[in-house]
Amino acid sequence: TQLLEQSPQFLSIQEGENLTVYCNSSSVFSSLQWYRQEPGEGPVLLVTVVTGGEVKKLKRLTFQFGDARKDSSLHITAAQPGDTGLYLCAGGVLTNTGNQFYFGTGTSLTVIP
Amino acid sequence: NAGVTQTPKFQVLKTGQSMTLQCAQDMNHNSMYWYRQDPGMGLRLIYYSASEGTTDKGEVPNGYNVSRLNKREFSLRLESAAPSQTSVYFCASTRLAGGPQTQYFGPGTRLLVL
Repeated sequence: TQLLEQSPQFLSIQEGENLTVYCNSSSVFSSLQWYRQEPGEGPVLLVTVVTGGEVKKLKRLTFQFGDARKDSSLHITAAQPGDTGLYLCAGGVLTNTGNQFYFGTGTSLTVIP
Repeated sequence: NAGVTQTPKFQVLKTGQSMTLQCAQDMNHNSMYWYRQDPGMGLRLIYYSASEGTTDKGEVPNGYNVSRLNKREFSLRLESAAPSQTSVYFCASTRLAGGPQTQYFGPGTRLLVL
């Protein structure tokens, strides 16, 4: 069962453009994380949001958690070639045996110089 | 600190063969996870271990077994490999079992089952 859907799946833009990636679910999560993955490597955490409506900024990246804690968005301003990579959202569900994380389908971003 | 390490990096198996993927972390983390990553599917949780001595099934546990050997090591075993298990396997760890924890991932094991 895929709990988190990301859109778009692929995105190719010119350097300097803005973009938004969406992560949607019908499930409620206790936390929502965004990761970036380079080819041949494991994902690396960018940010964690835990409160509905929360907005976090990391330089040119802005992350928002939906009010109902079911969805999230990642906005990149003035994209640079170094932003190229696979962006993954992950929803956290706390069970009585620990955390389970459900990952989105991923958005592959290419920024063309 | 090496973080999370995985061996082997690459493996080719024939259908029906068995193998064990090894994972170790040196961050004194309590919880460890095994995922598989397939194109267009993101990462899917196979098994996790909230603490030493405990293991639980994730989304896609069929065809796999795990062992939490000690606090540092968490292995994934394929008893009889199938082509559907061709994938990239990632191990991850978190400091605690609860709360919004950061997952630290290893570099992955690329497995091809013929």
